[in-house]
Amino acid sequence: TQLLEQSPQFLSIQEGENLTVYCNSSSVFSSLQWYRQEPGEGPVLLVTVVTGGEVKKLKRLTFQFGDARKDSSLHITAAQPGDTGLYLCAGEGGDGGATNKLIFGTGTLLAVQP
Amino acid sequence: KAGVTQTPRYLIKTRGQQVTLSCSPISGHRSVSWYQQTPGQGLQFLFEYFSETQRNKGNFPGRFSGRQFSNSRSEMNVSTLELGDSALYLCASSLFTADGYTFGSGTRLTVV
Repeated sequence: TQLLEQSPQFLSIQEGENLTVYCNSSSVFSSLQWYRQEPGEGPVLLVTVVTGGEVKKLKRLTFQFGDARKDSSLHITAAQPGDTGLYLCAGEGGDGGATNKLIFGTGTLLAVQP
Repeated sequence: KAGVTQTPRYLIKTRGQQVTLSCSPISGHRSVSWYQQTPGQGLQFLFEYFSETQRNKGNFPGRFSGRQFSNSRSEMNVSTLELGDSALYLCASSLFTADGYTFGSGTRLTVV
């Protein structure tokens, strides 16, 4: 069974602080995607990483895919209240398995207080 | 451009009934996937369709089924509803899955 464990599960921080969310698995994925979901809405894609060791930056967000393509991290610099939401990592093609299906992580609920 | 549209947004059904949910993907997207989201299990993959063919199926009982039409619109059906089927059902479409998926706002199903 392919599992993606995220940590921490919950995070409450003050505006301006930095934070890192981790996504770990024992499976190797062909790609890793990060989504943010707000209450009552569907997840919104933030980034896709496909190469081991890849680092992508999206304004204040930095995403990294582990060298072995088993883990990933999301770092937010100077968090803002608008960053509040549920952050989900999702792997595709785990252990050479089927693509076109996502295995979602357990989620990290982030609250940024003004 | 229009996003992924799911209807209805909210639905209340009684145990034993059946339900059909609808999803219209982004124009040009031929891959449509369905996911179930619950507080206890998180987001779980139901099935994926491409050009009217089911390519992948998750570990759900046969009560859960789906189909895709020639215009890429998709429906999922749940028969003999159980209380545990209460969830947010999300549809996602993709042009190339390596580019990621666009999700709809979901259908909130409550079974009483």
